[in-house]
Amino acid sequence: DVKVTQSSRYLVKRTGEKVFLECVQDMDHENMFWYRQDPGLGLRLIYFSYDVKMKEKGDIPEGYSVSREKKERFSLILESASTNQTSMYLCASSTAVYEQYFGPGTRLTVT
Amino acid sequence: ELKVEQNPLFLSMQEGKNYTIYCNYSTTSDRLYWYRQDPGKSLESLFVLLSNGAVKQEGRLMASLDTKARLSTLHITAAVHDLSATYFCAPQQGFKTIFGAGTRPFVKA
Repeated sequence: DVKVTQSSRYLVKRTGEKVFLECVQDMDHENMFWYRQDPGLGLRLIYFSYDVKMKEKGDIPEGYSVSREKKERFSLILESASTNQTSMYLCASSTAVYEQYFGPGTRLTVT
Repeated sequence: ELKVEQNPLFLSMQEGKNYTIYCNYSTTSDRLYWYRQDPGKSLESLFVLLSNGAVKQEGRLMASLDTKARLSTLHITAAVHDLSATYFCAPQQGFKTIFGAGTRPFVKA
């Protein structure tokens, strides 16, 4: 079974802090994704990566950056957390253009 | 730009009745997924629809795709309580998958 894990289920940070969210997949998938999920808005793509060290902006990249140094790991970085970044963050991975497998999510609260 | 509209956003279900969730998308897509999200959990894939006229069924759920109308439907037959999850449609174009806002059903006994 594909397994996608995320470093934290719940996280509380203060405004202005630098925040790292980590995602690891164990199925050698080429593609990895970061989404945020907000009520009534569905999932919105922040960034995705189709290979090591490769990244592409999604629909809402502002305020975020990513890092993919190894194939299995994709990190989302909030350089200076703000309250409007309070959300559920979901990581996913996939092979080529097939279905995505999602991690359990990290609920981030910025106070 | 690929956009997706899903409706209804909320679905009040009665046990035993049938319901349909509609997913319209704006431009051609390579394939379309339906995902399910249980409360407090992450998303899991239900169906992938690859071509015009595709129909997939599992249990009380059946999904279909009309690429000419750019419409997919998820049909729920004889609703039961364990269907109380949020359903997302997600057309894909190249690397990019766009998710609908989700349909959150709740079942009245």
